[in-house]
Amino acid sequence: EDKVVQSPLSLVVHEGDTVTLNCSYEVTNFRSLLWYKQEKKAPTFLFMLTSSGIEKKSGRLSSILDKKELFSILNITATQTGDSAVYLCAPKMYSGGGADGLTFGKGTHLIIQP
Amino acid sequence: DAGVTQSPTHLIKTRGQHVTLRCSPISGHKSVSWYQQVLGQGPQFIFQYYEKEERGRGNFPDRFSARQFPNYSSELNVNALLLGDSALYLCASSWGGLGETQYFGPGTRLLVL
Repeated sequence: EDKVVQSPLSLVVHEGDTVTLNCSYEVTNFRSLLWYKQEKKAPTFLFMLTSSGIEKKSGRLSSILDKKELFSILNITATQTGDSAVYLCAPKMYSGGGADGLTFGKGTHLIIQP
Repeated sequence: DAGVTQSPTHLIKTRGQHVTLRCSPISGHKSVSWYQQVLGQGPQFIFQYYEKEERGRGNFPDRFSARQFPNYSSELNVNALLLGDSALYLCASSWGGLGETQYFGPGTRLLVL
């Protein structure tokens, strides 16, 4: 059975801190891994990682994938209160039928205190 | 360009009733996926449609069904509602090629009493 574990499940830090969110996965026919930020309702896309060891960066956010050890991390530097959200990771698998459904972890609930 | 839109935003139903949720994908996107998100959990995959054909189905009972229309909009139907069906129902669209990023709509929050 496919498994996605995110840690920590919740995290409270102060503005300006750096945080590292973890996602480990055990899935068949791995294709890529996606990170999303969910503030109220719609998860918004952050990164898609396909290759091991290549860091993707967007402003203060960065992410990297390790396909050998089956995990990914999401880093946020100089955190701001607007970074408060649930961060979801979702491996995507190859499917014989062509289905592209995402398997999500439970998410990390990040709270940034002023 | 408009993002993914969903209607209604909120819905209250009673056990045993039927519900229809609607989704319009981003213009040009041909694939729509549906997810159920229960409080405190990540979204769970229900269905994926591409070019009006079902491409994939998650581990949900037959009470859940969906379809996609020629304009690529989609409906999710749930029959014989149970209390446990209370959740946020998210729709995501993508261009349709395998490996494409999925973009989510704001969701429909369903409460079953």
